[in-house]
Amino acid sequence: GENVEQHPSTLSVQEGDSAVIKCTYSDSASNYFPWYKQELGKGPQLIIDIRSNVGEKKDQRIAVTLNKTAKHFSLHITETQPEDSAVYFCAASITGSARQLTFGSGTQLTVLP
Amino acid sequence: GAGVSQSPSNKVTEKGKDVELRCDPISGHTALYWYRQSLGQGLEFLIYFQGNSAPDKSGLPSDRFSAERTGGSVSTLTIQRTQQEDSAVYLCASSPRGAISYEQYFGPGTRLTVT
Repeated sequence: GENVEQHPSTLSVQEGDSAVIKCTYSDSASNYFPWYKQELGKGPQLIIDIRSNVGEKKDQRIAVTLNKTAKHFSLHITETQPEDSAVYFCAASITGSARQLTFGSGTQLTVLP
Repeated sequence: GAGVSQSPSNKVTEKGKDVELRCDPISGHTALYWYRQSLGQGLEFLIYFQGNSAPDKSGLPSDRFSAERTGGSVSTLTIQRTQQEDSAVYLCASSPRGAISYEQYFGPGTRLTVT
C-alpha cells in the first residue's frame, strides 16, 4: 500500500520567515495530495491540495509543489504569522473507488513572534 | 453551513466496556470515513462508506471494531471490550458526491480514554 513520509517533525521559524515542509510518497498511482492544518483540540482542516496533473498551486501565502518523477511534494508558507502555528499533515490518495487518504506523521510548526 | 459533528467530544471508559462514537456528516456528502489519531501520531484509516456500497473495512485493527451508517447519513463506530491501546482521538470525515471530488472535511473528533 501507499506510504507517506513527512519531514521535519518539528519546525520553528521567526515571524515573517518562510516555512517548508516536505513529503514523499511511494505509490506512483497516487494522484491527489492534500495538506491539512490541525490546531490543538480540533480536527484537521484542508488548507490546500494539488492533483497530479499540476506541478504547483498557490493560495495567498501558501503554495504546494509536486514532483511526480521524484514522488515528493512540499508545502511552502511565506510571511509566517503566529496563527500559522499548528500541526500540518500531508496526505496522498490511493487511486480507486475507496479514495482513502494515507497521511504523513505530521509537522509541528511554531512561529516565534 | 454546518460542518461534520461528532459526539461525544470526550469519553472515558473502563477497560472491557463497549463504547459508541457518533458522526454526523455534512448534509449531502455521500462518503464518510473514520480515522484514529494516537497521541502525537498521524491519522490511521479505519473504515470508509460510500453511498449504498459495501464499506471498506480494511483499516479496522481488530474484530472488536465495527461501524455502521444508517440511511446514508449518520455513522456509529463501536468498540467492544475496550483496551488501553484503544485510547486515541477518533476522527470522522465526509466527502462530497462526485467522481473527481476527493476533499475530505473532518469533524472535531472524539477523545477516547480507556482506564
